[in-house]
Amino acid sequence: ILNVEQSPQSLHVQEGDSTNFTCSFPSSNFYALHWYRWETAKSPEALFVMTLNGDEKKKGRISATLNTKEGYSYLYIKGSQPEDSATYLCAFISSGNTGKLIFGQGTTLQVKP
Amino acid sequence: DARVTQTPRHKVTEMGQEVTMRCQPILGHNTVFWYRQTMMQGLELLAYFRNRAPLDDSGMPKDRFSAEMPDATLATLKIQPSEPRDSAVYFCASGLKGKASGGSGTGELFFGEGSRLTVL
Repeated sequence: ILNVEQSPQSLHVQEGDSTNFTCSFPSSNFYALHWYRWETAKSPEALFVMTLNGDEKKKGRISATLNTKEGYSYLYIKGSQPEDSATYLCAFISSGNTGKLIFGQGTTLQVKP
Repeated sequence: DARVTQTPRHKVTEMGQEVTMRCQPILGHNTVFWYRQTMMQGLELLAYFRNRAPLDDSGMPKDRFSAEMPDATLATLKIQPSEPRDSAVYFCASGLKGKASGGSGTGELFFGEGSRLTVL
């Protein structure tokens, strides 16, 4: 059984705060890690696909890092805005399971104006 | 604008009835996933197809659920008979194998809007 853990489960911050959350995954047989953003009443949308140890990706105020040797990825949001409020999901693909994505439970972020 | 299309968007049915949910993946995508959104488990993988062949349905209750891809433009998820505990939002997602490094992984997934099922 592949375990993908995200922490914290939820987070409340003030507008302008910077924040980060963690995705932990098995460090053996790593193939790829995805981050998705899921707004209420919408569908998940891809943020990043990360494949190499040490990868850093950035999209606007959101960035992510990847450490495959220790099995974690961080998602950072700089200067949070109310429109960043969403659930952030990570999904893990192991090299042994032919491309199947296993999602974590997500971190739900609420940004207060 | 390419997108994954799911039907129906909402379905209310009575316990014991058959339910069929349909998904049209993005043209050219060769992987299709069915997920169920639950409070306890977030996005729970039910079935996974690549090039229309089922690769993994280990997350699916086999006695009542079935998933098929009769052709490259249609994936179906069927529940027969449905039970109240099946009430959830069912998402279909498609992707392109090989887009993420090395050519043997799965690239980003594109999700449909979901089918909200209520079984009374």
